[in-house]
Amino acid sequence: EAQVTQNPRYLITVTGKKLTVTCSQNMNHEYMSWYRQDPGLGLRQIYYSMNVEATDKGDVPEGYKVSRKEKRNFPLILESPSPNQTSLYFCASSLSMRERVSHSPLHFGNGTRLTVT
Amino acid sequence: QKEVEQNSGPLSVPEGAIASLNCTYSDRVSQSFFWYRQYSGKSPELIMSIYSNGDKEDGRFTAQLNKASQYVSLLIRDSQPSDSATYLCAVNGYNQGGKLIFGQGTELSVKP
Repeated sequence: EAQVTQNPRYLITVTGKKLTVTCSQNMNHEYMSWYRQDPGLGLRQIYYSMNVEATDKGDVPEGYKVSRKEKRNFPLILESPSPNQTSLYFCASSLSMRERVSHSPLHFGNGTRLTVT
Repeated sequence: QKEVEQNSGPLSVPEGAIASLNCTYSDRVSQSFFWYRQYSGKSPELIMSIYSNGDKEDGRFTAQLNKASQYVSLLIRDSQPSDSATYLCAVNGYNQGGKLIFGQGTELSVKP
């Protein structure tokens, strides 16, 4: 089954304890992205990757890191989580986001609800 | 002006009625338009995509695009309580390095 898989689904942690949220897709998609969603603020892009070894900042990158060493994986790293990073996180992938290549929609993972105390 | 604007709602319609959801966008060169449905606490789910001016129908859903007016809409016919969700409009922002720009979403409530 074609899907984007995020783990874990729920995570409670304490301030300053490094964590990684994994994301994997099995659709051979070039493009992957991380979003956070907070009440009243909608979906905000954290980081995105146009392809392997090509990552770039989104709208709210502070406090996050990503890597794209393999096409299928795009982990989100919080080196020193803080309470303001408590949120619902989504990983998403798309065949391509290159201009005029294709009209590719985003496919979302099931989400990770993170609580930082 | 926000890049993609939607009325936040809530939009309340009776069961069986037509729900009309609207979205405007600011980037004139946008070429791809998507509607996602999101239930509370769940991930967005793609329900419609449209790329050309006019209407596109899929079951009870019809997407309408007017590039001249920079307007895209979603009609849901014979609305059901299970359609109650937040509907997100997304536009491909070619002028921003290629990414989907999401509106804030419109909350739809279908009353039995």
